Amino acid sequence: EDKVVQSPLSLVVHEGDTVTLNCSYEVTNFRSLLWYKQEKKAPTFLFMLTSSGIEKKSGRLSSILDKKELFSILNITATQTGDSAIYLCAVGRGAGGTSYGKLTFGQGTILTVHP
Amino acid sequence: DTGVSQDPRHKITKRGQNVTFRCDPISEHNRLYWYRQTLGQGPEFLTYFQNEAQLEKSRLLSDRFSAERPKGSFSTLEIQRTEQGDSAMYLCASSLGDRENQPQHFGDGTRLSIL
Repeated sequence: EDKVVQSPLSLVVHEGDTVTLNCSYEVTNFRSLLWYKQEKKAPTFLFMLTSSGIEKKSGRLSSILDKKELFSILNITATQTGDSAIYLCAVGRGAGGTSYGKLTFGQGTILTVHP
Repeated sequence: DTGVSQDPRHKITKRGQNVTFRCDPISEHNRLYWYRQTLGQGPEFLTYFQNEAQLEKSRLLSDRFSAERPKGSFSTLEIQRTEQGDSAMYLCASSLGDRENQPQHFGDGTRLSIL
């Protein structure tokens, strides 16, 4: 059974702080790890990571994957109130095995950014 | 560029009734996924289609649940004889399945409340 664990479960910071969200996983035939941001509606895609050690960056957000230690981190620098959301981590399996295509999600980290 | 569209946005029904939800994926996305999300949890995989073929169903999907994608475009998810435990957000996602490492993009979901 695939497993994704996120930490912390919730985090409260002030605007301008830097935060690091963690995601560890156990999955058979790993293909990719994805980060999503969920406000009140649909999870919005942030990053897809497939290779270790290569940082993906988009504005103030960045993420990196360690396939040896089976974890990923999502960093947000200079946080803003608009960053308040649930951040979801998910893993997907590769082709050639069962359950190709489905994502297994973690519980999410609730980030609250105060002005 | 239209995203994944789900209808209805909210559904309130009495226990024992049947309900049907619709999902229209992003055009040209041949993969379509259904997930269920309850409060405080990440989305849980229910089933997915490649074109009109249903390739996998989760153990979570009891025989009261059925999903179809008859023409390989939109999909419906039907729940028969609804129970209190079916109350959740039902999310649909789509992706370009023919290419490796394509992220899933989510709709805003249908929130089901069972009275």
